[in-house]
Amino acid sequence: AQSVTQLDSQVPVFEEAPVELRCNYSSSVSVYLFWYVQYPNQGLQLLLKYLSGSTLVKGINGFEAEFIKSQTSFHLRKPSVHISDTAEYFCAVSAAYSGAGSYQLTFGKGTKLSVIP
Amino acid sequence: GAGVSQSPSNKVTEKGKDVELRCDPISGHTALYWYRQRLGQGLEFLIYFQGNSAPDKSGLPSDRFSAERTGESVSTLTIQRTQQEDSAVYLCASCAKGAYEQYFGPGTRLTVT
Repeated sequence: AQSVTQLDSQVPVFEEAPVELRCNYSSSVSVYLFWYVQYPNQGLQLLLKYLSGSTLVKGINGFEAEFIKSQTSFHLRKPSVHISDTAEYFCAVSAAYSGAGSYQLTFGKGTKLSVIP
Repeated sequence: GAGVSQSPSNKVTEKGKDVELRCDPISGHTALYWYRQRLGQGLEFLIYFQGNSAPDKSGLPSDRFSAERTGESVSTLTIQRTQQEDSAVYLCASCAKGAYEQYFGPGTRLTVT
């Protein structure tokens, strides 16, 4: 089984400032890692994913994340945020192999990013 | 192309009533997942369908919850004898065969009064 911890429930940041949203996971098996964004009253949109290869992954809207296996972390970063980035961000993991075929996601509780003008 | 759609978008029901939630996956996506998002919580996995294989029901919280899917088409999640703790947003996601990215619908907000 996997678990995900998002240490910050809310992160306020000024517009054009950098931001880091933290995510740590626990798993006894190899994992795939994802970040999703949820805008108010909308479904989840995939920001980026790590499956294999380069541990620095780039996603949409200028976001990137780095997988550090030794720290079981997958923190999300953006060098300069915009008002439109105000949303809730969810980190998620799935087992990298599933004999049953289900790659169900285990989610963290989310981090609400508020960008201040 | 069309994304995942869910209906209704909102449902208010009285405690003890049955409800049925619908999910239309992206055309051609073989895998379909249901999740529940309670207020202030992350998403919880409920059930997984893959083609005509037996579903993975390991996330269903009680026997009041059931789901069906015929082939690779529409899925319905049924909650019988609803309780107040069932109030949540129910999200459906679909995934193409061989891929790992799940595409989510907008969800159904269920309120049990």
